[in-house]
Amino acid sequence: AQSVAQPEDQVNVAEGNPLTVKCTYSVSGNPYLFWYVQYPNRGLQFLLKYITGDNLVKGSYGFEAEFNKSQTSFHLKKPSALVSDSALYFCAVRDRIGGYQKVTFGIGTKLQVIP
Amino acid sequence: DAGVIQSPRHEVTEMGQEVTLRCKPISGHDYLFWYRQTMMRGLELLIYFNNNVPIDDSGMPEDRFSAKMPNASFSTLKIQPSEPRDSAVYFCASSSPWTGLKEKLFFGSGTQLSVL
Repeated sequence: AQSVAQPEDQVNVAEGNPLTVKCTYSVSGNPYLFWYVQYPNRGLQFLLKYITGDNLVKGSYGFEAEFNKSQTSFHLKKPSALVSDSALYFCAVRDRIGGYQKVTFGIGTKLQVIP
Repeated sequence: DAGVIQSPRHEVTEMGQEVTLRCKPISGHDYLFWYRQTMMRGLELLIYFNNNVPIDDSGMPEDRFSAKMPNASFSTLKIQPSEPRDSAVYFCASSSPWTGLKEKLFFGSGTQLSVL
């Protein structure tokens, strides 16, 4: 069964500093990987995806993520954090084998950007 | 487009009562998902539909939970009878076949359910 782990409940970073939110995954085949963001009292919003190709994928709001197959990781990054980036971030994975299968989300990591 | 619309935004009910949550997906989207979010378990997929047909309901926790999608523009999630442990935020999401990425989900704002 596929799974996603987000090892940090919360990440604190000073405004202007680079940020990393960690994610590791487990699937039986090659993965589809995603990051979503949730602002308070809102639904999740799609940030970026990795399907195939370049290991560094770019998404919305200046975020990017690095796929590392050997470490089964897909960490979310941003070179310079903004206070407005403070939110809950979810990593998600879908196994690419077969037809459509459900997307499994991690438990989420709260990002706090300190002014 | 108004996005995915859920109602009500908040629901407070007493244990044993029936609760019905409603969702209107984005027009033209052919997948609809119901998720439940709690602090302890994160975001759990309850059920999803494709072209109004339930595809996978393995995440529905108990027989007290049921979901329907009578047409392409409306879905309901019903809990009968409700229990305090059902308290959570329930999200509806839809996705389109036209983005080339079925997994790009568009979420509603959620229904905050409190069962007393």
